[in-house]
Amino acid sequence: SQELEQSPQSLIVQEGKNLTINCTSSKTLYGLYWYKQKYGEGLIFLMMLQKGGEEKSHEKITAKLDEKKQQSSLHITASQPSHAGIYLCGADLMDSNYQLIWGAGTKLIIKP
Amino acid sequence: GAGVSQSPSNKVTEKGKDVELRCDPISGHTALYWYRQRLGQGLEFLIYFQGNSAPDKSGLPSDRFSAERTGESVSTLTIQRTQQEDSAVYLCASSPQPLYRTGNTEAFFGQGTRLTVV
Repeated sequence: SQELEQSPQSLIVQEGKNLTINCTSSKTLYGLYWYKQKYGEGLIFLMMLQKGGEEKSHEKITAKLDEKKQQSSLHITASQPSHAGIYLCGADLMDSNYQLIWGAGTKLIIKP
Repeated sequence: GAGVSQSPSNKVTEKGKDVELRCDPISGHTALYWYRQRLGQGLEFLIYFQGNSAPDKSGLPSDRFSAERTGESVSTLTIQRTQQEDSAVYLCASSPQPLYRTGNTEAFFGQGTRLTVV
């Protein structure tokens, strides 16, 4: 969806390195969800951010919401093979009804 | 089961045939969502149920697609006269309350049904 852009589309990172994935909205955000998708496992909820400046962490994954930029960044510290997968952001936009708008996903590969 | 269950997990069908995809949400979850995910793409919203009602059917791509939910539980997504462009993974999610405007409510996703139309 052009309303929600994720970058990069794919990322190959050496194990142990840090990385950042971005999710940018073209409209005002009410809330933003981060999910991780592994083949055959469906989508796994990571965290939800609602307030500008809010930052949440889940193990070595930290996400922040920049309300002014209408953007969220997801940062992984000291990446591990278990972090590999597709990361999806979903946004609750101020003018949306009943649904989240989803980004196209970022495919993360961790090189040993 | 404890999670959202979808069946079948894989379905190969011939072009022109009808298919039914089933979703068993988590018990007690009032909100149920259907999404479609084409290869390499994000989630495409299809339909949302609150209880047994579908306040938003805007995402259904054509009149070949329909969905129903009964007993505030099981939902069925039906695709009639399947076309090759219908090939995708169809994901179902449920949540205790609607995702929008509620904050801090996560959706629980099933593992999806991979539909291949040949």
